[in-house]
Amino acid sequence: DTGVSQDPRHKITKRGQNVTFRCDPISEHNRLYWYRQTLGQGPEFLTYFQNEAQLEKSRLLSDRFSAERPKGSFSTLEIQRTEQGDSAMYLCASSLGTGEVVGYTFGSGTRLTVV
Amino acid sequence: SQQGEEDPQALSIQEGENATMNCSYKTSINNLQWYRQNSGRGLVHLILIRSNEREKHSGRLRVTLDTSKKSSSLLITASRAADTASYFCATDDSGFQKLVFGTGTRLLVSP
Repeated sequence: DTGVSQDPRHKITKRGQNVTFRCDPISEHNRLYWYRQTLGQGPEFLTYFQNEAQLEKSRLLSDRFSAERPKGSFSTLEIQRTEQGDSAMYLCASSLGTGEVVGYTFGSGTRLTVV
Repeated sequence: SQQGEEDPQALSIQEGENATMNCSYKTSINNLQWYRQNSGRGLVHLILIRSNEREKHSGRLRVTLDTSKKSSSLLITASRAADTASYFCATDDSGFQKLVFGTGTRLLVSP
């Protein structure tokens, strides 16, 4: 296992198009998180899965955003009808645990540019 | 929203000097973690300190936690050019199963 993988690394899309990102967590990790980071800011929480169940969604996640984690393995984050304000780095992280929040392992991120 | 605020926002030092960055947070926590992010990359977990701990060491890193002041500090001793990165503190959102990150300190270590 080589860590958390995210694909693609970069995505340029036109406003109004749909985009989908993929995250492959560390295989034994049951928790998977999506964060968004804009320039000069810290990561902002979007959503979180424990196994295949999506347990929390941020208010930042409008109806245009949807995330899935079928079978508790990889996850996808889809943004419909992209807007310029969606331009950001989208980070995926995974961790192992059922109680205390332990350290995350992050992927390298997907940088989205909406033109 | 971001729970933590790091101070300073940016720090520039020479190799061999120590770097200290501070983090303040707002709510009660179970633990506080520090992460490093090199430009354009993902974050790397550095160290975790629990709410019942006051100080923790890992290699050249020293972390302190003062829960009465809701603050933490990260000290990097004998800094190297390779330590150049952004550093973020993160707290577990007590009662919820996620980390909330601060705004970060950008550290530049010059040779």
